[in-house]
Amino acid sequence: AQSVAQPEDQVNVAEGNPLTVKCTYSVSGNPYLFWYVQYPNRGLQFLLKYITGDNLVKGSYGFEAEFNKSQTSFHLKKPSALVSDSALYFCAPSTGGFKTIFGAGTRLFVKA
Amino acid sequence: NAGVTQTPKFRVLKTGQSMTLLCAQDMNHEYMYWYRQDPGMGLRLIHYSVGEGTTAKGEVPDGYNVSRLKKQNFLLGLESAAPSQTSVYFCASSYLPGLNTGELFFGEGSRLTVL
Repeated sequence: AQSVAQPEDQVNVAEGNPLTVKCTYSVSGNPYLFWYVQYPNRGLQFLLKYITGDNLVKGSYGFEAEFNKSQTSFHLKKPSALVSDSALYFCAPSTGGFKTIFGAGTRLFVKA
Repeated sequence: NAGVTQTPKFRVLKTGQSMTLLCAQDMNHEYMYWYRQDPGMGLRLIHYSVGEGTTAKGEVPDGYNVSRLKKQNFLLGLESAAPSQTSVYFCASSYLPGLNTGELFFGEGSRLTVL
């Protein structure tokens, strides 16, 4: 069965510190890898994606993600967290359209 | 551009009542989806459509029906609502795989409570 794991329900970080939100997956083939962000009472928004090439991909709002094929991981990172980054983050491997699976989500809390 | 629009945004039903959620997209996307979001469970696919006039079951289709009579609209129906269907429902759309890398565009969500 295909699956995606976000091992931390919540990540707490102080403003200005680096942050990491972890994701590992078990999906056949070579899936595209996505991160989406959900702010309170809003829909999910695309943050970044990995298709192929450089293992470090950059996305919106200063976020980046590191792909590791051997560990089947796609961790989300940001060098310096902002209070406004506080939201729910979803990792989502996809083999196309309806074949996207979502992790349970990790709530990021950035303290001023 | 409005993107993906869902109506209504909130609804309270009694057990056994029926209702329809409407999703409209103005991006000319071929694929459309209905998800439900429950705490700690991420998003689960209910039904999806790969084009006008076509629909297919997702991961959790029981108790729901859908229709895609027009390319821009995707309707989700509950014929006889149950408390287990209390959830937040999200509509999404995307380009055809191959023409794009599969990024999903989401609506703002519809919060449904079944008493």
